[in-house]
Amino acid sequence: GAGVSQSPSNKVTEKGKDVELRCDPISGHTALYWYRQSLGQGLEFLIYFQGNSAPDKSGLPSDRFSAERTGGSVSTLTIQRTQQEDSAVYLCASSLEGVRVLPEKLFFGSGTQLSVL
Amino acid sequence: AQKITQTQPGMFVQEKEAVTLDCTYDTSDPSYGLFWYKQPSSGEMIFLIYQGSYDQQNATEGRYSLNFQKARKSANLVISASQLGDSAMYFCAMRGVETSGSRLTFGEGTQLTVNP
Repeated sequence: GAGVSQSPSNKVTEKGKDVELRCDPISGHTALYWYRQSLGQGLEFLIYFQGNSAPDKSGLPSDRFSAERTGGSVSTLTIQRTQQEDSAVYLCASSLEGVRVLPEKLFFGSGTQLSVL
Repeated sequence: AQKITQTQPGMFVQEKEAVTLDCTYDTSDPSYGLFWYKQPSSGEMIFLIYQGSYDQQNATEGRYSLNFQKARKSANLVISASQLGDSAMYFCAMRGVETSGSRLTFGEGTQLTVNP
């Protein structure tokens, strides 16, 4: 597709369950980012992938959060043992060059709305 | 550490008028970039405009312009000739070249409503 695709668009889960969120970046984009947006708040950085380099995981809030990017393309964000405070919109973005270029223009997906009951 | 402050949680403007959305920032990084994004109700973040800290001129992109005052650490977004489709959440963001690594720091946003 032409843009960043995220699935599912909505996810409702029970506290304690694991969830997987998927991001399909724009073809050819070397950089991929995950951000989290809580209700009425700005975006909070989670993790950044650039090519084959080690990811920048410095924004992950706890060890229950992990992400991987397979083959330099699709990425999966996994939240284990979900808690109610994990409820938020999870946004994925990709860019052509990543942080090697300033400005890097990020293209965002529409996000996954995660609700933990 | 970096911080973005958007002091206007909500703004209203009449169609066809201009509006300024405020953004102030704080950083110790000597080189940085400032960004504005628009988030309509669909949820997707849309890049609007970029200003580099060493750029001599204020950035412009169509109806969007950035009023960059480096000494005051402000990067206000000006939207001219507002349209109904401009109603959305607007976020100011920045990234420092040396200190931010890969992260953009976002403000809490301003909800703009354009009235007919």
